[in-house]
Amino acid sequence: NAGVMQNPRHLVRRRGQEARLRCSPMKGHSHVYWYRQLPEEGLKFMVYLQKENIIDESGMPKERFSAEFPKEGPSILRIQQVVRGDSAAYFCASSRLAGSTYEQYFGPGTRLTVT
Amino acid sequence: GENVEQHPSTLSVQEGDSAVIKCTYSDSASNYFPWYKQELGKRPQLIIDIRSNVGEKKDQRIAVTLNKTAKHFSLHITETQPEDSAVYFCAASRESGGSYIPTFGRGTSLIVHP
Repeated sequence: NAGVMQNPRHLVRRRGQEARLRCSPMKGHSHVYWYRQLPEEGLKFMVYLQKENIIDESGMPKERFSAEFPKEGPSILRIQQVVRGDSAAYFCASSRLAGSTYEQYFGPGTRLTVT
Repeated sequence: GENVEQHPSTLSVQEGDSAVIKCTYSDSASNYFPWYKQELGKRPQLIIDIRSNVGEKKDQRIAVTLNKTAKHFSLHITETQPEDSAVYFCAASRESGGSYIPTFGRGTSLIVHP
């Protein structure tokens, strides 16, 4: 049973380019969450999605960031016109429908470096 | 919004000692409190969690306590081992859309010396 998959694991972008981060949830999980982790800091919630719906985007920056979780395929976190401050590790997590457990299973993360 | 404070930021103990990490939160609506362990360069992994209707929970060498009135919760690790060395994050979670959204503390780097 494969865990949460993220790709790429490392991504280098020049300032002004676009970054696309992908997340495939665990089998049977319908909830996806994205987090950002800056060096020496904790995880910051960005967005929570279910298939074809954004449920909670209270942690998303207002500009340049967007997320989707289409009916088919992985969830995508897109960062347009990247700046140096976007350099961070981006983790996604997935969970089952609420009820039996609230545990979120994390992927290995994508380390984004903006040069 | 929720604010979670976590202390200490670094904790160094000898193998076999106990380790205690403390967190406080601000939003009384938070009612689910997971703890995650993150080894260097790895993904965070849930080690224990507690719901707001429970005051204490134990799993082998790990225990968590919750004081809802004072809005603080703690992680206790007994008989520490070198493999317990990692960064530990607490979180206070609020309900949203059928799930829980955590606000994490800044983490505690636990170092267990053999």
